Amino acid sequence: GQQLNQSPQSMFIQEGEDVSMNCTSSSIFNTWLWYKQDPGEGPVLLIALYKAGELTSNGRLTAQFGITRKDSFLNISASIPSDVGIYFCAGRSIKAAGNKLTFGGGTRVLVKP
Amino acid sequence: GAVVSQHPSRVICKSGTSVKIECRSLDFQATTMFWYRQFPKQSLMLMATSNEGSKATYEQGVEKDKFLINHASLTLSTLTVTSAHPEDSSFYICSAVTALENEQYFGPGTRLTVT
Repeated sequence: GQQLNQSPQSMFIQEGEDVSMNCTSSSIFNTWLWYKQDPGEGPVLLIALYKAGELTSNGRLTAQFGITRKDSFLNISASIPSDVGIYFCAGRSIKAAGNKLTFGGGTRVLVKP
Repeated sequence: GAVVSQHPSRVICKSGTSVKIECRSLDFQATTMFWYRQFPKQSLMLMATSNEGSKATYEQGVEKDKFLINHASLTLSTLTVTSAHPEDSSFYICSAVTALENEQYFGPGTRLTVT
């Protein structure tokens, strides 16, 4: 099915660094969600965004719903080792039936050796 | 709140047998649940939408006779992989929608290995 374009695909972090990832879509979304998935587990909802331009924080996480409604970004400030995992963006199109989501390909966050 | 469980967490079965996976919303009622599969290092792929009391809606390319879905109550949906083959080996994840937030909360996933 359709996927959102999520970048970067992977990144290495050093403790204390800020990290950023984003998602873009060719179509308009009315909801943007960010999930984190640890190995062997299901995704956990981090932040939900419902309005264009909305900026929402959850602890060290900040996400924004793009003005064009076709993109969103997630920032993690002062990263710590437990931030390692895979982050997925997900969007709900205005044309989506029911509560269906479209997922990005994921950003794999790894610790610098 | 919004806790979703799956059982079993891991299952190994022989080729040709059937396997049932349960998805339960523990502290809320979910009229809609979703089933996804995820291959290693890939994103989640929606298989079907499960609605309580009605037939599931399958995504294009997903065989409804192979992946049987039953949403018998507001807290339980089951996925049965029939006549499993090695290529069905994957990580199966369910999600449930809360009426309060109208968002999907995911279960911990089930690792299926078909030998």
